[in-house]
Amino acid sequence: GAVVSQHPSWVICKSGTSVKIECRSLDFQATTMFWYRQFPKQSLMLMATSNEGSKATYEQGVEKDKFLINHASLTLSTLTVTSAHPEDSSFYICSARGPSNQPQHFGDGTRLSIL
Amino acid sequence: EDQVTQSPEALRLQEGESSSLNCSYTVSGLRGLFWYRQDPGKGPEFLFTLYSAGEEKEKERLKATLTKKESFLHITAPKPEDSATYLCAVQAGWGGATNKLIFGTGTLLAVQP
Repeated sequence: GAVVSQHPSWVICKSGTSVKIECRSLDFQATTMFWYRQFPKQSLMLMATSNEGSKATYEQGVEKDKFLINHASLTLSTLTVTSAHPEDSSFYICSARGPSNQPQHFGDGTRLSIL
Repeated sequence: EDQVTQSPEALRLQEGESSSLNCSYTVSGLRGLFWYRQDPGKGPEFLFTLYSAGEEKEKERLKATLTKKESFLHITAPKPEDSATYLCAVQAGWGGATNKLIFGTGTLLAVQP
């Protein structure tokens, strides 16, 4: 149980392109979803928290106009990297969680490479 | 400021050589401590949740324990397939203040046959 699917797993695109990443909880209803960024050999850096039907809460230093988050249902959240540039290249990971104090379950991440 | 520190940064063991990983935390109001395993190029895989001091959880060769200041992940007779990065994270805050996890930087475990 508690499976989170993230798609796509790998994206290569040109600078200036917008990229959408999907995160789905397959077998449970995710009250809250989280988006992280991970640099090589570093731990996860939380970018934003989203609750179904509400606006996302962004961490300090994360541009909300750059990283658009939509959490339209209890099983789907999307992250759109708008007008991506090489410095946005990274490993993006989503997680989903049920009611408070339940563990977060993670997707397998999206490797984004901007040329 | 809430903080999570893991040690050692890296650990190399021989197959069958038991050891422990440490996660020290300083938080205001612990709501839960979580252990995850992360393989290269993958998202973290949930292992355990611990909620109060004295609590222990076991799964195969892994055992997690919790005190008021730290948690240990004990690995008994490890196998090469236990090689991964082990992440510790805490959820802190009361009154519905925060949902987010604070992650440590992880321990990279390599088990050699």
